[in-house]
Amino acid sequence: EVQLVESGGGLVQPGESLRLSCAASGFTFSRYWMNWVRQAPGKGLEWVANVDQYESKKTYVDSVKGRFTISRDNAKNSLYLQMNSLRVEDTAVYYCARGTDWPGTDFWGQGILVTVSS
Amino acid sequence: QSALTQPPSASGSPGQSLTISCTGTSSDIGGYNHVSWYQHHPGKAPKLIIYEVSQRPSGVPDRFSGSKSYYTAYLTVSGLQAEDEGDYYCSSYGGSSNLVFGGGTKLTVL
Repeated sequence: EVQLVESGGGLVQPGESLRLSCAASGFTFSRYWMNWVRQAPGKGLEWVANVDQYESKKTYVDSVKGRFTISRDNAKNSLYLQMNSLRVEDTAVYYCARGTDWPGTDFWGQGILVTVSS
Repeated sequence: QSALTQPPSASGSPGQSLTISCTGTSSDIGGYNHVSWYQHHPGKAPKLIIYEVSQRPSGVPDRFSGSKSYYTAYLTVSGLQAEDEGDYYCSSYGGSSNLVFGGGTKLTVL
């Protein structure tokens, strides 16, 4: 069974940093692209970033470029999102989602809440 | 990277059919056949119900179907059931490894 479990969320002040983790199990992690997707309170889903199997290609939504860094450790079956210079508008539930052979996602975690507030 | 446009809400009675639209541009829905639909119940992981415009993952009832015309994708739910209540999101490939999502549609079974 595919499982994705996010951790590392919490309450931080604007300008601070946070690192999210996603522990994957039930599939061969190293064979898949991985994504982060977020949902701000009362809003729809927003794709944030993705990374290929080898960490050779990383792509970001414009609003986080230069502040967020996606990475992975295939030996630990883990995906990460380093979030720096956090803004109030980054407040959201962050989901880890597995990529697919076609450009998209299939399995998702239950999400982790990140709150940026003074 | 603009969000896809979905109606905020949709409703139907048990047994009825209902269609949710998702409108994009030539840069996303109109340019690729990589449209997906997700069912989301708050507090749970979003669930993929349609991929590649009209394909259903294993285990998804055939009451769910997808289609596309030009810049708009559609999700049809036939024979509505109470368990179909929830939020539905579309997504599309937007080129250059980007994905774009819709704003979501809250489906209510009356």
